[in-house]
Amino acid sequence: DAKTTQPPSMDCAEGRAANLPCNHSTISGNEYVYWYRQIHSQGPQYIIHGLKNNETNEMASLIITEDRKSSTLILPHATLRDTAVYYCIVRDNDYKLSFGAGTTVTVRA
Amino acid sequence: DARVTQTPRHKVTEMGQEVTMRCQPILGHNTVFWYRQTMMQGLELLAYFRNRAPLDDSGMPKDRFSAEMPDATLATLKIQPSEPRDSAVYFCASGLIPDVQPQHFGDGTRLSIL
Repeated sequence: DAKTTQPPSMDCAEGRAANLPCNHSTISGNEYVYWYRQIHSQGPQYIIHGLKNNETNEMASLIITEDRKSSTLILPHATLRDTAVYYCIVRDNDYKLSFGAGTTVTVRA
Repeated sequence: DARVTQTPRHKVTEMGQEVTMRCQPILGHNTVFWYRQTMMQGLELLAYFRNRAPLDDSGMPKDRFSAEMPDATLATLKIQPSEPRDSAVYFCASGLIPDVQPQHFGDGTRLSIL
């Protein structure tokens, strides 16, 4: 079962930052948070992952709260091509990913 | 960039036929995962292999599904006999265990059983 809770949908204006929240209140000390997205008809695409510290790469930033019970994925300048379903996943110690329903993000011009 | 390759991308066949889906993992990855995605169930893990040995196939219907990894460059998922309820998109992903680096997914096989 998915260990995360995400809002079912959100809209974002093109060019603005998109902040996607995720709750993972039962996360264990050594479990990582991973974010993937799935654009229609494609396989899930890895975005970013983290354990405790905030992380940034060319696609996004990941902010993890100090108690690690929640995180936020930030897309700094959303484009129409960022429209997708975004999944926040806590990977278990068997390295399996449990996908929930995710957040459907729609970027509007 | 290295990619996971899945074939075929689309498959339409009649109920009762055997279906074989293939996956070429990223070179150097030692773990292969099979997922299935439907509108009703979302993305669910069927089985996964590490160093070609099955680690967990509890998500897979055993009576008709089988997963194998004949060599390090090929993983297969077979359905025999196929049923309409098997219609779904089947994804393969590969990764490196133990490592925190992510799994990478292929673009899936879209299967329709008539």
